[in-house]
Parts: sequence; structure tokens; C-alpha cells
Amino acid sequence: EPEVTQTPSHQVTQMGQEVILRCVPISNHLYFYWYRQILGQKVEFLVSFYNNEISEKSEIFDDQFSVERPDGSNFTLKIRSTKLEDSAMYFCASKRAPETLSYEQYFGPGTRLTVT
Amino acid sequence: DAKTTQPNSMESNEEEPVHLPCNHSTISGTDYIHWYRQLPSQGPEYVIHGLTSNVNNRMASLAIAEDRKSSTLILHRATLRDAAVYYCILRDRKNWGMNRDDKIIFGKGTRLHILP
Repeated sequence: EPEVTQTPSHQVTQMGQEVILRCVPISNHLYFYWYRQILGQKVEFLVSFYNNEISEKSEIFDDQFSVERPDGSNFTLKIRSTKLEDSAMYFCASKRAPETLSYEQYFGPGTRLTVT
Repeated sequence: DAKTTQPNSMESNEEEPVHLPCNHSTISGTDYIHWYRQLPSQGPEYVIHGLTSNVNNRMASLAIAEDRKSSTLILHRATLRDAAVYYCILRDRKNWGMNRDDKIIFGKGTRLHILP
């Protein structure tokens, strides 16, 4: 069964450094998302992406964050200058079709980001 | 999206049915009821969704009250692998098809413990 993959599984970085989290969505999916979950807290939406542009973003997704689909397979989340409070599990998700046709978002296993 | 209320945690014995309740008294006519679950150290996973009628799939059943103010996710025969946090989520289909508002808003969910 196809699945969303994410690399690395765990990233440790120093405050102020840039990090790039990578995701490979399911191959025929067209809608892409990033969520994060701070330890012990809810899963929070960050951004959705369709047709090579951001569809929607949350208040968390400020100028320090960016997303990109550099080729036909990868979907990346970049944090330019990490802060301690960016420490969290970051989940990538993808969906095949518009909500009218496909309700299910498929989530990856996550990347644990630790900022020291 | 309208709010849902779920118990913080529940316990059940292995190989017995589990009924996970969800209250959504402010549900609107365009809200779909979705359930996701999050196994330990994994990303969320779609379970089932419905609008008015009861629904069955290979993972679970969804029973929806006639007034739609509550619903119950039913796992027919729980296994240890079903131990997870289960999220009941309302998703408004009003804006679907516009590539917006298809984010998932997660609450705290119900942590289900399965006793061997």
C-alpha cells in the first residue's frame, strides 16, 4: 500500500539554524499539508499546498517558514532560523483529490525536530 | 468548524467491542463527522466518516444519532494494536472544492487503552 514518507526521522539543530524537513507524498496525490505536534499537545495545521502554491496557512506559519515542491516527488518544509519553541513532531500529509471527491488525508510518520 | 466533546480516556478489554462517544451539539447541516486515530509515535490515520446514515468499513463502524448531535465510533473487536488516540472531527463541506478550508482541526481526542 502506498504511503507518505518523511526524512529524517529525527533532526537535532541549534537555535538560529535553518532546517529542511523532507516529505515524499503518495505519487498520484495533488494536495499537500504540513502539521505539527508539540509534545503532549494537539496536532496543529501549518499549511496546505496545491498547484504549486500555498492554499491556506495558519498563524503559526510565519515568515520563518516556507514550503516548496522542488520536483515531482518531494515536498519540503523549511524553517529559516529555528527557535526553541519550534521543537515538535512535524507531519506531512497528502490527499488525492478535492474534498468533494476525496476526504482522506494520508499522514507520514513524522520528523521529530529538537532545537537546542 | 464546530466543536466536539470526547472523553479524555477509555479502557477496554482485548477482543471486546469498544464504543467511543462524541458529542457535537452545535453541528450544522453541512458538517461531516470524521474520525481519525493516532497510534503511538505515528501520524494520524483516517478511520471513517459520515453525514447522516450509519457507516461501516473494514476498520470500524460509525453510528450517528438521528438528530446528529452525537455519534459513536464502534470497534467491533479491539486488539492491542487499536490502542491509540481517537479524534472526532467535524468538517464543513461548505467551502469544499475551492482548495481552501480542507485542513483538519484536531482536538485532544480520546486515549483508548486496550487491556490484554
